[in-house]
Amino acid sequence: ETGVTQTPRHLVMGMTNKKSLKCEQHLGHNAMYWYKQSAKKPLELMFVYSLEERVENNSVPSRFSPECPNSSHLFLHLHTLQPEDSALYLCASSQDAHPGGAGDTQYFGPGTRLTVL
Amino acid sequence: GNSVTQMEGPVTLSEEAFLTINCTYTATGYPSLFWYVQYPGEGLQLLLKATKADDKGSNKGFEATYRKETTSFHLEKGSVQVSDSAVYFCALSVQDSSYKLIFGSGTRLLVRP
Repeated sequence: ETGVTQTPRHLVMGMTNKKSLKCEQHLGHNAMYWYKQSAKKPLELMFVYSLEERVENNSVPSRFSPECPNSSHLFLHLHTLQPEDSALYLCASSQDAHPGGAGDTQYFGPGTRLTVL
Repeated sequence: GNSVTQMEGPVTLSEEAFLTINCTYTATGYPSLFWYVQYPGEGLQLLLKATKADDKGSNKGFEATYRKETTSFHLEKGSVQVSDSAVYFCALSVQDSSYKLIFGSGTRLLVRP
């Protein structure tokens, strides 16, 4: 099932670079999420968008800047990252983000493997 | 607070062996419970879910039962295959300001021929 796609799959960048990660969902969902997966750590929720509005920001440093232009697309803009930001960045979507909505099951993309030199 | 605790891996089994991966949780309210699987080099895939007590989720031979009395959601499979080698994540969904998935740390399963 490839309902959620992410590009690029791999990215290497220097600490002074600016890059963007892209996520697209083809499931007709209203909510989208960014997660960070580091080695030997549980998945960390970074941002939640519902109907293009950010509803959650989990104390993420400002060098990560999300953008959700419509309910199908989600971006993560990166600038002046640190080596410890190297991780797998996962995008997910769900039918709704609000409690009591139609569904809380999240569907994940394949991730972008980010290496910061 | 809300949390998920999984047994530490790696778990190494021979093909056709019985699998159990333990998962317990702490949550306020009535969470939904999930198992996700991550194959090497890929993202997470939903394996199964259960939304209320005593529900049993099942998929691809895997099963897990939502046990409210023991706050557990253990994953089981009667006969594992080499292709089941992956990392398995237990998660719960809590509802406060938005849906959030709280993940366990993951359990790596290695199945040998």
